[in-house]
Parts: sequence; structure tokens; C-alpha cells
Amino acid sequence: DGGITQSPKYLFRKEGQNVTLSCEQNLNHDAMYWYRQDPGQGLRLIYYSQIVNDFQKGDIAEGYSVSREKKESFPLTVTSAQKNPTAFYLCAAVSNQVPNYGYTFGSGTRLTVV
Amino acid sequence: RKEVEQDPGPFNVPEGATVAFNCTYSNSASQSFFWYRQDCRKEPKLLMSVYSSGNEDGRFTAQLNRASQYISLLIRDSKLSDSATYLCVVRVSFNNNDMRFGAGTRLTVKP
Repeated sequence: DGGITQSPKYLFRKEGQNVTLSCEQNLNHDAMYWYRQDPGQGLRLIYYSQIVNDFQKGDIAEGYSVSREKKESFPLTVTSAQKNPTAFYLCAAVSNQVPNYGYTFGSGTRLTVV
Repeated sequence: RKEVEQDPGPFNVPEGATVAFNCTYSNSASQSFFWYRQDCRKEPKLLMSVYSSGNEDGRFTAQLNRASQYISLLIRDSKLSDSATYLCVVRVSFNNNDMRFGAGTRLTVKP
């Protein structure tokens, strides 16, 4: 089955530590996205990538970094500069070919600072 | 003004009820429109795309009014399993796939 795999499902980070969230897709979609969701709030865009080796900041990129070395992979690093990283992180991919295709999401990573 | 605004909810309805969710968007150049369903602590899943002519999928009907920049979702004969948060999503730009999400409306269907 085609889809998006996020890992780990749960992640605990100590203060001052960098952590990397994995996102892998086998949908052959060009565009990939990282969102953050906080309780009772909508999804907010962190970073997105339309093609390999290119990515753009979203609305809340500060304290995060990404890479897109392969079409299938779009890892997100939460750095120590992100002051409030506890949240639900969602990776998504979408086809550029079909205008009425929505996003496909991974199952998410729940990050908690301890 | 938020780019995508939804009814704040929550909606608590009995089984069998008809419930309607509304959503407005601010960018008149928006390209595509969607309703997503998100269960508690899970990822959003596409419920249906919304077409200009309106579209129906079983008990679910979606409508789009471009002139008023308004989208709706109607659920008929509500089931307990319909309990979830419903997200209105608008694709602002096709070139960069810029999607904007509403904060969601929570629905609880009670027996």
C-alpha cells in the first residue's frame, strides 16, 4: 500500500537537545510538508518542499530545520532553539498533477519535552 | 481575519440527526477545497473534495459558493462513528500546493 510513514510515534526530548523526526513516502509525490498541531488549534505549516534539494519556510519555521535529499524522505529536526516544541507533528505529501487531490498525512509523531 | 474560519463548535447531536458545518475562506483566488476528518490523537484523513457543482458521498454532502467564499458540509442520519473533528481545508495556490486549514469543528454524536 502506498502511504506515508512517520517515526517514531512518540518522542521525548530533554531541554537543549536536538531531535529528528522521520517522514518517508512511497506515493511518488513531489511535494512534502511538515505541520505542527497544538491542542484545540489548526495545523500550522513549518516547512515544505516542492522538489528534491529545495525547501521553503512555512509560517512557523523558527527553531526547525529540514532536508530533502531524496524524493521519498523529508526529515524534520527540532532544534534547541525551538522554545515550545511539545506538539503533534504531521508530515504530508500531495501530488502536483491532480488539482483536487488533497494531502495524504502520516500518522504523526507526538513530541514531548521532559 | 483568519484565512479559513469554521464554526467553533462543539456540536453535540443525537444519532440520526442532520448536522451542518460551515467554513469561510478569505482568499478569493483559492483553487481547491476539502473536508478532512480527524479522530482524537490521529492524523487528518480526507473525507471529500468539494466541487463547484456540489457533491455527495452517501450521507455526506459538500457545497461550495465561490461568490460568498463559503463551503459547507452536511451530514445526514448521524452515526456514533461520525464523532470526530472536521477540518475545512483550502488550497490557496496550485503552484506551491499552499493549503490552509481551519481550526476544526468537533462533532459528538450521542446515542
